[in-house]
Amino acid sequence: NAGVTQTPKFRVLKTGQSMTLLCAQDMNHEYMYWYRQDPGMGLRLIHYSVGEGTTAKGEVPDGYNVSRLKKQNFLLGLESAAPSQTSVYFCASSRTGEGGTLHFGNGTRLTVT
Amino acid sequence: AQSVAQPEDQVNVAEGNPLTVKCTYSVSGNPYLFWYVQYPNRGLQFLLKYITGDNLVKGSYGFEAEFNKSQTSFHLKKPSALVSDSALYFCAVRDKRTGFQKLVFGTGTRLLVSP
Repeated sequence: NAGVTQTPKFRVLKTGQSMTLLCAQDMNHEYMYWYRQDPGMGLRLIHYSVGEGTTAKGEVPDGYNVSRLKKQNFLLGLESAAPSQTSVYFCASSRTGEGGTLHFGNGTRLTVT
Repeated sequence: AQSVAQPEDQVNVAEGNPLTVKCTYSVSGNPYLFWYVQYPNRGLQFLLKYITGDNLVKGSYGFEAEFNKSQTSFHLKKPSALVSDSALYFCAVRDKRTGFQKLVFGTGTRLLVSP
C-alpha cells in the first residue's frame, strides 16, 4: 500500500518555464490537497478537491492551476514559474468521516532560478 | 477565521526528560485539533487528534496532548523524550462548523532531543 505518491521528488526550473506535479493516492480518498511549505510559514493550502472533477482555491492559489480528472490523481500546474514559487510542495488526501486526518506524500522540492 | 500559534520555534530537551510543545488556537466554533510530525525529507505524519470527549488525547509514539478550552490550548507532551523524537512538529486546527476538512497549520516547532 503506497499511500500518497508524489512525482517528481526534485525539480529545477528557470523563470517562465512550466511544469506539472503529479499526486497519486491509492486509498480511495475523496479529498485531496496541495500545500506549499516555506521556512517560518508552516504549510499553506494552494488548492484542494472534494471529489473527482471538482477543484477549489485555497489560501495561496495565484500562479497555480489544478485538475482532478480521476479520483486517485491530483495534478498541480505552474504555467509560468517564478522565483517566489521556490518551495517544497506537499500533496495530501483524506476521506470523509476522519475529521480531517490528512495523509501526506513525501514532497517535491522545487527551485525556480 | 481560524488560526494556530506555536510560540516556540525550537524546543530543546535532554533524553529521558519530559517534553512539551505548545500550541494555542483560535476558531469561531468548536475545534478539531491535530498534531503532525515531520522528519527530514519526509511528509507530515499524523500523531493525534482531538475531536470531542476526554480532554487528554493519546497518540502515536507515546505522545499525548491536552485540550484546554478555557486557555484555547492543545499542548503536545511526552513523559520521557527520545533522541529519535527530534523532528518538526505542527499543530493544526479546523472549525467543526466548516463542511470541508480544511486544516490551518501553525508554523511548526523544531524539537531537539540531546543524548
